[in-house]
Amino acid sequence: GAVVSQHPSWVICKSGTSVKIECRSLDFQATTMFWYRQFPKQSLMLMATSNEGSKATYEQGVEKDKFLINHASLTLSTLTVTSAHPEDSSFYICSAPFVRLAGGPTYEQYFGPGTRLTVT
Amino acid sequence: GQQVMQIPQYQHVQEGEDFTTYCNSSTTLSNIQWYKQRPGGHPVFLIQLVKSGEVKKQKRLTFQFGEAKKNSSLHITATQTTDVGTYFCAGSKGGKLIFGQGTELSVKP
Repeated sequence: GAVVSQHPSWVICKSGTSVKIECRSLDFQATTMFWYRQFPKQSLMLMATSNEGSKATYEQGVEKDKFLINHASLTLSTLTVTSAHPEDSSFYICSAPFVRLAGGPTYEQYFGPGTRLTVT
Repeated sequence: GQQVMQIPQYQHVQEGEDFTTYCNSSTTLSNIQWYKQRPGGHPVFLIQLVKSGEVKKQKRLTFQFGEAKKNSSLHITATQTTDVGTYFCAGSKGGKLIFGQGTELSVKP
């Protein structure tokens, strides 16, 4: 089945530093990946759409200069939180769409295990 | 912008009782998907509904998509402790998923 990995699974960093999070599709190619942020007991908020070979598309209210996204290959997208602050502490999750053809096309999203970022 | 509302936010049931969560979109959806997130875990795809009025079943779970393709529901019959988690609906439009707030289900044995 489709598997998406994320690295690191958790990270603690000091305020003002930058943190890079990797998202990989392990057994399928993904021209598009999505980055979400989830605060405790809350829903997933779409931050941006990562597009292989082109610029990411950011959702309204998400600072593109703060959350740098690079989709370097068909299996890798990275999110860099620049100049992190305590309010950036959150659970960051990526997903990649996978089309399952059996029984009629189903467009599933496979999520990575998430990265818990704590900024001190 | 597009919103997907989900109720209730929390549901506590006794094992064996039924459970239902409802999802409503402000706009017509291409399709709707349901995900389950266990505590400390990540969302796991459950099902996708595409057709107006569609009903799908997975063992004790029944999923419905409204005729207007703006609302959906998930019903669990005779809940078990393994059903614990947060259930999210997600509306698909323009290739993006917009998640509802989720319903956190707890099951008392």
